[in-house]
Amino acid sequence: DGGITQSPKYLFRKEGQNVTLSCEQNLNHDAMYWYRQDPGQGLRLIYYSQIVNDFQKGDIAEGYSVSREKKESFPLTVTSAQKNPTAFYLCASSMDLGHGGTYNEQFFGPGTRLTVL
Amino acid sequence: AQSVTQLDSQVPVFEEAPVELRCNYSSSVSVYLFWYVQYPNQGLQLLLKYLSGSTLVKGINGFEAEFNKSQTSFHLRKPSVHISDTAEYFCAVSFFHNNAGNMLTFGGGTRLMVKP
Repeated sequence: DGGITQSPKYLFRKEGQNVTLSCEQNLNHDAMYWYRQDPGQGLRLIYYSQIVNDFQKGDIAEGYSVSREKKESFPLTVTSAQKNPTAFYLCASSMDLGHGGTYNEQFFGPGTRLTVL
Repeated sequence: AQSVTQLDSQVPVFEEAPVELRCNYSSSVSVYLFWYVQYPNQGLQLLLKYLSGSTLVKGINGFEAEFNKSQTSFHLRKPSVHISDTAEYFCAVSFFHNNAGNMLTFGGGTRLMVKP
């Protein structure tokens, strides 16, 4: 089965600790994305990557970091600099970013709910 | 500025009644338009999309939406809802950010609550 997996489903962290959220896809997609979801605010883009070893900041990148060492993996680290990290985090992927106005569907993982204690 | 607004944060409706979830956007460039559904503690699933052509688009689970360019709207409708339609619905727009058709901006979401 092709798809996107995120782990863990639930994650608890103490204040001041860094934590890494996993995202893996076996869809052979070049582009991957991380979103943060808060009630009433929809999804906001944290980081995205269009190819291995390349990634770009989204709208709310402060306090987060990513890496893209492999095509299928795009882990997100929530650092202690993130002031309000409690949220639902969603990873997504698409064939590419759609340059030239083309469209490829974004597929979403099941999400990780992070709670800071 | 480019933005997406979902006018209702919650919509309660009785089973088998019709429903409309509203979405408006602000843009000076061409757009692609989407509706996604999210069931509790799950990821998003694409319901339908408008890329070009007919302004009335049909999606999965009996949903449809109409693109109105003059009103910059993309409202989602279903003629008869089921209990299983209870979920959060997100409108999303691609504003061709950096000429990338897959970069999405999401509205705040509308929680559809279907009551028996």
